[in-house]
Amino acid sequence: GAVVSQHPSWVICKSGTSVKIECRSLDFQATTMFWYRQFPKQSLMLMATSNEGSKATYEQGVEKDKFLINHASLTLSTLTVTSAHPEDSSFYICSAPTPTDNSYNEQFFGPGTRLTVL
Amino acid sequence: AQTVTQSQPEMSVQEAETVTLSCTYDTSESDYYLFWYKQPPSRQMILVIRQEAYKQQNATENRFSVNFQKAAKSFSLKISDSQLGDAAMYFCAYRSDGYNTDKLIFGTGTRLQVFP
Repeated sequence: GAVVSQHPSWVICKSGTSVKIECRSLDFQATTMFWYRQFPKQSLMLMATSNEGSKATYEQGVEKDKFLINHASLTLSTLTVTSAHPEDSSFYICSAPTPTDNSYNEQFFGPGTRLTVL
Repeated sequence: AQTVTQSQPEMSVQEAETVTLSCTYDTSESDYYLFWYKQPPSRQMILVIRQEAYKQQNATENRFSVNFQKAAKSFSLKISDSQLGDAAMYFCAYRSDGYNTDKLIFGTGTRLQVFP
């Protein structure tokens, strides 16, 4: 199957600093990527849809200015957590659907990034 | 808006036995997809099985099968001949049908333990 990578796999930062997480589709092009947040022992909550060539679409309750998303190319989306605080500590997962000619595009998930804010 | 509910936070099964995980959903759409994803301790999401709502036949993938009841909006996962490697979090997910509608809505998950 298709491969989606994330970098870094884990990061520790100080409160008030910004952290950038990369999501790459390695063997296919993705015009859309999704960013999820997962707290311990909880489900994946969709944060935003990253769109190549246009602005990201954020889910209700997600701060656009805090979680900056940039879909730089057809294989790369980045999530920047600005002015991070301890409550931003979480597991961040991205996914990308593979392009097909029909309405169903299988999604592939990255391995996730664990963010710890001290 | 669509919602997905998993009412079993935890389940356990003995190795080689069968276990069924429950999932219900709410939608006003007639065409959609349902999924079961597995998340092992590595946290990597793995697609277990997919069901298209327009198909009456229940999907099957080796030891994994579903019981899809469209009218009842129920979508359970049956794992036969359970193996130790099946221990993981299992998430039920919903996706609308149509182009540019790849967004997944996840349930709260069921933690499956497998005992030898």
